[in-house]
Amino acid sequence: AQSVTQPDIHITVSEGASLELRCNYSYGATPYLFWYVQSPGQGLQLLLKYFSGDTLVQGIKGFEAEFKRSQSSFNLRKPSVHWSDAAEYFCAVGPANQAGTALIFGKGTTLSVSS
Amino acid sequence: DAGVIQSPRHEVTEMGQEVTLRCKPISGHDYLFWYRQTMMRGLELLIYFNNNVPIDDSGMPEDRFSAKMPNASFSTLKIQPSEPRDSAVYFCASSLHGVAEAFFGQGTRLTVV
Repeated sequence: AQSVTQPDIHITVSEGASLELRCNYSYGATPYLFWYVQSPGQGLQLLLKYFSGDTLVQGIKGFEAEFKRSQSSFNLRKPSVHWSDAAEYFCAVGPANQAGTALIFGKGTTLSVSS
Repeated sequence: DAGVIQSPRHEVTEMGQEVTLRCKPISGHDYLFWYRQTMMRGLELLIYFNNNVPIDDSGMPEDRFSAKMPNASFSTLKIQPSEPRDSAVYFCASSLHGVAEAFFGQGTRLTVV
């Protein structure tokens, strides 16, 4: 079955500290991978995406993610967290080279930033 | 472009009433998705359209839910009759060519009392 797992429901990080949010997927085909962020009361905003090529992708707001095929993972990282990064983060997967299929989302990780 | 526009932003209704949620996708996008977000189940895909035609409605929970897309710039999600367990945030999203990233609206927070 196709699925996305975000093992951490809630993470608290000190401002200025580094961050890594985990994402594992189970997908029969070659995947496209995405990270979205949702601020309270808002919709989901795309942070970054991986389609092919370099497995380390850069996104907005200083985020990056690394695709590791052997581990079926696409972890999100940021070297120094800012208070404004507090939000909910969603990993999503979709099929490469196959139009007409919706993204599958993980259940999200809530990030809190302490001062 | 103004992005995906959903209305209303908040809806409070009584059990048994009909509820209609509205969505205007980004102009030129050919895919439209309806998702439901709850604490328990996260983001669930309800239905999606390609070129105004429903492609997959397997996520629609019951016959009480229906969705239409009469033209490329408008879609509705209707719940009739509504029940308290339908309380959730409903998101509409659109994309170009389906498998690319989806752009989300700000959601409609539905409360059924």
